[in-house]
This record gives sequence, C-alpha cells and structure tokens, in this order.
Amino acid sequence: NAGVTQTPKFRVLKTGQSMTLLCAQDMNHEYMYWYRQDPGMGLRLIHYSVGEGTTAKGEVPDGYNVSRLKKQNFLLGLESAAPSQTSVYFCASMKNLQSEGGNTIYFGEGSWLTVV
Amino acid sequence: RKEVEQDPGPFNVPEGATVAFNCTYSNSASQSFFWYRQDCRKEPKLLMSVYSSGNEDGRFTAQLNRASQYISLLIRDSKLSDSATYLCVAFEAGGFKTIFGAGTRLFVKA
Repeated sequence: NAGVTQTPKFRVLKTGQSMTLLCAQDMNHEYMYWYRQDPGMGLRLIHYSVGEGTTAKGEVPDGYNVSRLKKQNFLLGLESAAPSQTSVYFCASMKNLQSEGGNTIYFGEGSWLTVV
Repeated sequence: RKEVEQDPGPFNVPEGATVAFNCTYSNSASQSFFWYRQDCRKEPKLLMSVYSSGNEDGRFTAQLNRASQYISLLIRDSKLSDSATYLCVAFEAGGFKTIFGAGTRLFVKA
C-alpha cells in the first residue's frame, strides 16, 4: 500500500521557471491538501480539494495553482517560481469526516524545492 | 496572531522524565484536535486524537479544554525515540481546513 506519493522529491528551479508537483493517493480518499513547511512557520495550507473536480484556496495560495481532474491525483503548479517559494511541500489526503478515523490526515514524504 | 500556537521549545529532558506540551487555538468553532509527530526531514504522522474527556495511549495523554481553548500532551517515562517535533492540529468547523501549529521540538537525552 503506497499511501500518498509525491514526485519529484527534490528539485532546483531558476526564478521564473514553471513546474508541477504531482501527488497521488491510492486510498480512495475524498480530501486532498497541499501544504508548505518553512522553519518556524509550521505547515501552511496552500490549496485543498474536497473531491474530484473541486479545489479551494487555503492560507497561502498566491503563486500556486492546483487541479484535481482525477480523484487520486492532486497537482500543484508554480507558474513562475520565485525564491520565496523555496520550501518543503507536503501533499496529504484524508478519507472523509463521516467515518470513524476518517479525519486522519496521511502525508506524502515531502518535496524539497529550491528556487535560485 | 497564529490560529494555533505552540511553544517552539526546544525541550531538553533526560530519559525517564515526564514532559508536557501545551497548544492554544483561537477559533472557538474548531471541532476536532490532534497531535502529530514529525521526525527530522520526514512527514508528520498522527500520534493521537484529542477528546474532551481526555484520552491516553500508553505513555501519552492528551487533554482538551474548550473553555480555555487549549490542548495538552503529556509524555511519561520519556524515551530517546520520543525525540521529535510535536505538532498540534485543529480542524475548523466544516472540517475541510486543518490548521497546524508550528510545532514543539523535544530532545530526550540519555
């Protein structure tokens, strides 16, 4: 059982370049999230999705776009990377709120992104 | 002001010690609370849920005080393997949005 898988794990970008982070989950979870984690800031929610075809803004959405065309995938795009987007990005998924234990969040292993 | 606040620490304790962390949240509508553990350069993993009545899982005890809007985690008989960052998490009403604290760093020394 792979759980939540993120690719790539490491990437160095030049300012202005674009890239997409891919998140895939094989647990048939409804909800998916993208967070960034910076020293002393904790995990901050970028965007999230409550189901296939739906997305919503989180705490720090500027400079990012997302898509959830398939239930198992949640893509995070950086259209024009900036040094301020250097961070560790975590994807996460959650089953739903109705079932017992359904609100446990499962994280991917993280993607380390450096923008120079 | 952050919605979920924690003392960043670090807490340096000897093996066998008891250590307690607190976390405060500002949104009174938050409905569910959790403690997650994060090891260095790893993803967070669920440690335990937090219930109003208090709950225990082995050496770990979690408490929720809704009136004062704080959550606590007590670790008894600390082990070297408990060294990690502990993240407090609050679900907002509606449950879709999860707010993480910045984490409390714990070092357990032999």
